[in-house]
Amino acid sequence: EAQVTQNPRYLITVTGKKLTVTCSQNMNHEYMSWYRQDPGLGLRQIYYSMNVEVTDKGDVPEGYKVSRKEKRNFPLILESPSPNQTSLYFCASSLLAGVQDTQYFGPGTRLTVL
Amino acid sequence: AQSVTQLGSHVSVSEGALVLLRCNYSSSVPPYLFWYVQYPNQGLQLLLKYTSAATLVKGINGFEAEFKKSETSFHLTKPSAHMSDAAEYFCAVSQYGNKLVFGAGTILRVKS
Repeated sequence: EAQVTQNPRYLITVTGKKLTVTCSQNMNHEYMSWYRQDPGLGLRQIYYSMNVEVTDKGDVPEGYKVSRKEKRNFPLILESPSPNQTSLYFCASSLLAGVQDTQYFGPGTRLTVL
Repeated sequence: AQSVTQLGSHVSVSEGALVLLRCNYSSSVPPYLFWYVQYPNQGLQLLLKYTSAATLVKGINGFEAEFKKSETSFHLTKPSAHMSDAAEYFCAVSQYGNKLVFGAGTILRVKS
């Protein structure tokens, strides 16, 4: 089944404890992206990657890191999480990076930082 | 910069009634527009997208949306609401780099 998977689905952590949220897609997509969803704000892009080893900042990149060493994986790293990073995170992928390419979303990771 | 405004954070309709969810966009170039649906505790699923081929776009689950350039709108409609339509709906515009710019979302409640 074609899908985007994320792990973990739920995570509660404490301020300053490094964490990684994994994202993997099995559709051979070139483009991958991370968004965060906050009530009343919709989804906002954190980082994106147009291809392996090519990443760039989205609208809210502060406090996050990413890497794209393989086409299928795009982990999101929080080196020193803070409470304002408590949010619902979505990974997405699309075949190419064109403006009309449909992005397919993972199931989400709900992160709470205490 | 492109932006999206969804009018009404909550919409409530009776089962069988018309569903109308409003979306207005701001764009200096021809936009590519999307509607996504999010069911509770799930990811986003594409309902439909506008890519300039036709102004009336039909999507899944009986939903459709009409692109009106003069009104900069892309409202989502469904003739008859079903209980299973209860979800949060997001309108989004795509810009360079395939970044989706989302509206704040509209939660649809369907009353029996």
